[in-house]
Amino acid sequence: GAGVSQSPRYKVTKRGQDVTLRCDPISSHATLYWYQQALGQGPEFLTYFNYEAQPDKSGLPSDRFSAERPEGSISTLTIQRTEQRDSAMYRCASSLEQASYNEQFFGPGTRLTVL
Amino acid sequence: GQQVMQIPQYQHVQEGEDFTTYCNSSTTLSNIQWYKQRPGGHPVFLIQLVKSGEVKKQKRLTFQFGEAKKNSSLHITATQTTDVGTYFCAALRGNFNKFYFGSGTKLNVKP
Repeated sequence: GAGVSQSPRYKVTKRGQDVTLRCDPISSHATLYWYQQALGQGPEFLTYFNYEAQPDKSGLPSDRFSAERPEGSISTLTIQRTEQRDSAMYRCASSLEQASYNEQFFGPGTRLTVL
Repeated sequence: GQQVMQIPQYQHVQEGEDFTTYCNSSTTLSNIQWYKQRPGGHPVFLIQLVKSGEVKKQKRLTFQFGEAKKNSSLHITATQTTDVGTYFCAALRGNFNKFYFGSGTKLNVKP
């Protein structure tokens, strides 16, 4: 595709439910990042992938959060037993290579609201 | 914890005035990126700085990386209404891919 896409764009769920967010990166991009962005704040790192490998997941807030990228392309972020504090914009970004000197292309984000 | 401090949080300027946002870290950075996020939009890459003391220009935008690689600035000369948005720095330490974003500076330009 022309850019990074994310789905759904909006998700409203009840506390305690599980949600899965999807990211479709730019097809040639090896590296994929997940960020959480609270209103009025900068994106906060959650995890990243280099192809299917997940070298760093230190930003995941708790073991309720998990991410995967099984075939090195599409990635999903799953939040189990959602809590109200999980409400935020979840952004995915991809870059060409794992090397840190590459720009990140962000998707439109998924706005998650936990009631 | 706050890894990268960005100031100011907000800036309101009259069209034609200059604008500067600053990004500061207590530790040495390997590189720093700047992004612009329009209202309701997503962050869009502007520039990357890697070398100590580096200065890069993009039309009315000037980006600097400090000599000690602990701070950076973005300066806009003669702002226009199209400059409205939030400007974020994203800093990298070491050779790891974990980017630390500042909290952003929200720029409003009055015509």
